[in-house]
Amino acid sequence: DTAVSQTPKYLVTQMGNDKSIKCEQNLGHDTMYWYKQDSKKFLKIMFSYNNKELIINETVPNRFSPKSPDKAHLNLHINSLELGDSAVYFCASSQGEHLSYNEQFFGPGTRLTVL
Amino acid sequence: AQSVTQLGSHVSVSEGALVLLRCNYSSSVPPYLFWYVQYPNQGLQLLLKYTSAATLVKGINGFEAEFKKSETSFHLTKPSAHMSDAAEYFCAVSLTGNQFYFGTGTSLTVIP
Repeated sequence: DTAVSQTPKYLVTQMGNDKSIKCEQNLGHDTMYWYKQDSKKFLKIMFSYNNKELIINETVPNRFSPKSPDKAHLNLHINSLELGDSAVYFCASSQGEHLSYNEQFFGPGTRLTVL
Repeated sequence: AQSVTQLGSHVSVSEGALVLLRCNYSSSVPPYLFWYVQYPNQGLQLLLKYTSAATLVKGINGFEAEFKKSETSFHLTKPSAHMSDAAEYFCAVSLTGNQFYFGTGTSLTVIP
């Protein structure tokens, strides 16, 4: 059984389009995250949700909007895609209220390419 | 200010040789420290973590790391490298106030 799953695995789209990436976890965790990994492998947290409430919202453009319909899902919607949005996006989840010492479980990633 | 620094973006070792991946952190309070591994085209997986218990932490796949407060370091070691250890390794630090940072990663190559 896949613990943290993301769809799609690859996403190729034109500049200016709107796209969504879906994430689901079946671990019963309370907290979910979105990370962006750039071409140099640098990982940066974007958002963190705990029980459907936004906990962390790092400095990301307003074009990025997370949506958590329930505790097991955290989707990422991106409006007006730009070339610089090309990256691998990882969803993760952990038990407990916030990052602290809890292990994060990562999804396989979604490689977004904006042309 | 960078909270976690990984020295060496690329490390190459021969199969069977010692693996040493360096990580230094900056924090005024005791942090939680982690090492994650990323195999090609996969998500990250926890290797080990330090949460203020024993300073020598043992992880999966024969890896271990030692927390040294005086040196603000949390270096990752493995006595004998295996071909399957080739991957990207990330050190991470968790600070108070929901602050969490990954290092820039170290790519490990194992030479047969």
